[in-house]
Amino acid sequence: QVQLVQSGAEVKKPGASVKVSCKASGYTFTSYDINWVRQVTGQGLEWMGWMNPNSGNTGYAQKFQGRVTMTRNTSISTAYMELSSLRSEDTAVFYCARPNKGGNGMDVWGQGTTVTVSS
Amino acid sequence: QSVLTQPPSASGTPGQRVTISCSGSSSNIGSNYVYWYQQLPITAPKLLIDSNNLRPSGVPDRFSGSKSGTSASLAITGLRSEDEADYYCAAWDDSLSGLVFGGGTKLTVL
Repeated sequence: QVQLVQSGAEVKKPGASVKVSCKASGYTFTSYDINWVRQVTGQGLEWMGWMNPNSGNTGYAQKFQGRVTMTRNTSISTAYMELSSLRSEDTAVFYCARPNKGGNGMDVWGQGTTVTVSS
Repeated sequence: QSVLTQPPSASGTPGQRVTISCSGSSSNIGSNYVYWYQQLPITAPKLLIDSNNLRPSGVPDRFSGSKSGTSASLAITGLRSEDEADYYCAAWDDSLSGLVFGGGTKLTVL
């Protein structure tokens, strides 16, 4: 079945970087964009950006530009999201999600990766 | 402060009809599709309504979406206890060149 499986929880110190992976299966990885969404504990959903796994083209939310990098390895059908200069306010669950064809409706989601930023 | 505005909470009793509103502007809802997501506790969000009013496979027809101008609504009829969740609207924003979410509405089934 179609699924996205994310890497495990991370604990990072302020100022460090974190790289979260998202492995796709059950479909052609290069045929659909991958989006990343952040959810701070107890708060709402926040879109971070998108990546086209075929071309590698990306688009980032203004809030995260300069701090986020989205990449992929097509040989293993895996997308990555790296967030740098971490601060305590970045403590959150990060989701990868696949929009359906032709739109922005994200119909396949990863299970989420918890990133804790603490000194 | 979210770009799309939702009421923070809504409630209803089993069997009732509940609506959740989502207000935006000409650069987002006014010119692009609206999406609705349901998030049960400690789970990933689920696409509930696609492209203003389309239900993905497996979503009960008790859920419906509509859009008018710069506002959208999610309606739930025949409310059930398992509908207790957080609901988020989303739309592409042309001015921001990004997807924006509402702040979310916590639905309580009394």
